[in-house]
This record gives sequence, structure tokens and C-alpha cells, in this order.
Amino acid sequence: GENVEQHPSTLSVQEGDSAVIKCTYSDSASNYFPWYKQELGKRPQLIIDIRSNVGEKKDQRIAVTLNKTAKHFSLHITETQPEDSAVYFCAASKNNAGNMLTFGGGTRLMVKP
Amino acid sequence: KAGVTQTPRYLIKTRGQQVTLSCSPISGHRSVSWYQQTPGQGLQFLFEYFSETQRNKGNFPGRFSGRQFSNSRSEMNVSTLELGDSALYLCASSHPEVNTEAFFGQGTRLTVV
Repeated sequence: GENVEQHPSTLSVQEGDSAVIKCTYSDSASNYFPWYKQELGKRPQLIIDIRSNVGEKKDQRIAVTLNKTAKHFSLHITETQPEDSAVYFCAASKNNAGNMLTFGGGTRLMVKP
Repeated sequence: KAGVTQTPRYLIKTRGQQVTLSCSPISGHRSVSWYQQTPGQGLQFLFEYFSETQRNKGNFPGRFSGRQFSNSRSEMNVSTLELGDSALYLCASSHPEVNTEAFFGQGTRLTVV
């Protein structure tokens, strides 16, 4: 089955710096790659997603890039703010949908003011 | 529009007992997926129901089961509870025909003692 690895497991940055989280996946049939943010004690919430027919997608300070050949995708957060502090999960799916997701292990991002 | 609702929020059970968790999806969403979240294993897919049928299944023992009703509400059941079943159980609903995003509930925190 699909396996998703995520690095780093923890990331500490200064406010205003950029943060990059990387994920690799094993199944070349995967075609949908969402990123979720989970604050302490709260539900995971989608922050951005990308499909396999797109190489890059941007939404304000957040961007995701996908390299299908290398089977990896990355989350980029620019101008980080303290409220960006949370655990971020990458995921992959073969159904081009979010109904059956394989998650990475998560990255705890800490933004220091 | 109401979000995904899970009940109860917290449960404490004894080893060997069984438990039933409930999930009410967003109105109109026919796909409901269940995930187990633990510090050690992260977020793992349990199963997905669509139109009252189990459409996908993760790698969990048969003690974990579920069902979906005609109104798309879903329940999951865990029989013969083990200490290792202590986890946050999350459900997510989606409307694959319209949008791929999966919306998560706040979860049920199960503690097995």
C-alpha cells in the first residue's frame, strides 16, 4: 500500500522566516495531495491541496510543489506568524479525492515571536 | 452549514468492553471516512463508507467495524477493547462528486483502562 514519509518532525523558525516541510510517497498511482493543519486539541483543517496534473499551487503565504517523477511534494510557508504554530500533516490519495488518505507522520512547527 | 459532528467527545472504557462512536457528516456529504490518531502511529485510515456500503478498508483487525445509515450518519464499533485502542478517533466527510476536500470532525477521545 501507499507509504508517506514526512520531514522534519519538528521545525522551529523565527517569526517572518520561511518554513518548508517535505513529503515523499511510494505509490505512483497517487494523484491527490492535501496538507492539513492541526492546532492543539482541534480538528485537522485543510490548508491547501494539489492534484497530480499540477506542479505548483499558491494561496497567499502558502504554496505547495509536486514532483511526480521523484514522488515528493513540499509545503512552503512564507512570512511565518506565531499563529502558524501547529502540527502539519501531508497526505496522499489514489482516488483523486480526500476520502481515503494516507498521512505522513506530521511536522510540529513552532514560530518564535 | 453545520460541520462534521462526532459524539461523544470523550469516553473511558475498560479492557474487553466494546464501544460505539457516532459521526454525522456535513449535509449532502455521502462519503464518511474514519481515522485513528495516536502519538506513536499518527493518523491511520480505518475505513470509508459511501451510500451505506464500505468502499475502502485500512489495515486494522476485525474488531474494528462500522456502518452507515441512509441519512449518511456513520458509526464505528470496536469490540474487545485493548489498551492500545486508546486514541483520538476522527471521522471525515466529503462530497466526491463536487469537491475532493475532506472535512474532519473534532474527534472522540477514547481511553481504555
